[in-house]
Order: sequence, then structure tokens, then C-alpha cells
Amino acid sequence: DADVTQTPRNRITKTGKRIMLECSQTKGHDRMYWYRQDPGLGLRLIYYSFDVKDINKGEISDGYSVSRQAQAKFSLSLESAIPNQTALYFCATSDPGTGQETQYFGPGTRLLVL
Amino acid sequence: SQQGEEDPQALSIQEGENATMNCSYKTSINNLQWYRQNSGRGLVHLILIRSNEREKHSGRLRVTLDTSKKSSSLLITASRAADTASYFCATDDRGSGGSNYKLTFGKGTLLTVNP
Repeated sequence: DADVTQTPRNRITKTGKRIMLECSQTKGHDRMYWYRQDPGLGLRLIYYSFDVKDINKGEISDGYSVSRQAQAKFSLSLESAIPNQTALYFCATSDPGTGQETQYFGPGTRLLVL
Repeated sequence: SQQGEEDPQALSIQEGENATMNCSYKTSINNLQWYRQNSGRGLVHLILIRSNEREKHSGRLRVTLDTSKKSSSLLITASRAADTASYFCATDDRGSGGSNYKLTFGKGTLLTVNP
């Protein structure tokens, strides 16, 4: 089984709808991240969480919110989706205890906002 | 803002040839990492090099780091069709004075290895 899973894998929604993307991990890592990827722009950090009580805004947090329900779960919400939020979204985890801060990525959620 | 910038944006080579990708960054770092992404899939960590290291090897991968030039290179030797993917460098933000650790990714190099 995959260590970092994301649901749904694909989602089509309409402008103005609220949607939630979910991320679960079995790696036991405290740190979790949400990124979006757009063609030609690489990955940009939306939000990150270093433990259940810690939530931080990333580079592009406007229009998004997150919830860290447990160590293993980190959800990303689009309160009112707009077309320019069409992108590939990735969740990632890391473990500071390793001293290397390697990040482990989920398979991604492809979101299309009409 | 992007910390790392890869060069070239795209690279096409024949199987068996070596592939070299470069990454430049702006601020001081503690380490630099390279990741690989197959089309539409999640990124996979390849190798990490610390700021006090100049070269590191892992299988067919060789990474160099020049902190004076704020640049790194990734060399893939004897490339295979299965190496076709996008490659990203990522730098940590600790050196910028940020209190929380996070990575900043470049825009990537798309490598195509033709059989």
C-alpha cells in the first residue's frame, strides 16, 4: 500500500463550489504539506503543518484553507472554487528526525474547475 | 518566489548518453535535493547534498554543489528510456532566515531519453 494517499485522484467541479481534497499517510511523519503544480510553474507551497496544532501559510494560500485532523490526515479545502485553481495538487510528508527533510509525495489530485 | 531554477527547461538525448541538468538558487542553503517526477505522478526523492559537500554519487546519479556560485548539477550517466521524466531541484529555506523549515522547488527540467 502507498504510504501517502490522496483522494479523490481526479475531480471536476464548477465555479463557486466548495470542495475538499484529502491526504492520509501511514509513514508516521509529523510534517505535512500541500502543493499545487501548474505547467511551467513548478510546485508552489499552499499550506504546511509541522504537527496537529501547527498550521502555516505557504506561498499561495489565498482561496484555500486546511485542516489537520490527526497526525495522519491533512485536508485542503477550496471554499469557493474558481477556474484558475485548476491544477495538479500534491500532498507531501517529511520527518525532521531523519535530519534530511526528504519529502514523500502522494500521487496527486487533478482538479478541473469549470 | 522560486528559489531554484533548472536549466535547460527541456533536454532530449539518445539512450546511453549522459544527461546533465543544472540548478541555480538565490539564497544560502543548508542542503539541496533533487526529485524526479514521471508524467502526472508524485515527485520522488533522488538525492540530497549538504552545503558542506561538493559532490555526491548514487548509482548512475552524480550531483555537484558549488555554494560560491549558488549552483548544482545533476548528471545521469548511461541514460535509459525509463529515465524520461521531469527533474526538480529543491532548496531549504532555513538559510533565508525563516523560522520554519520548508522546501522551495524549481520549475524543472523535462528529460526525454529516446530509445
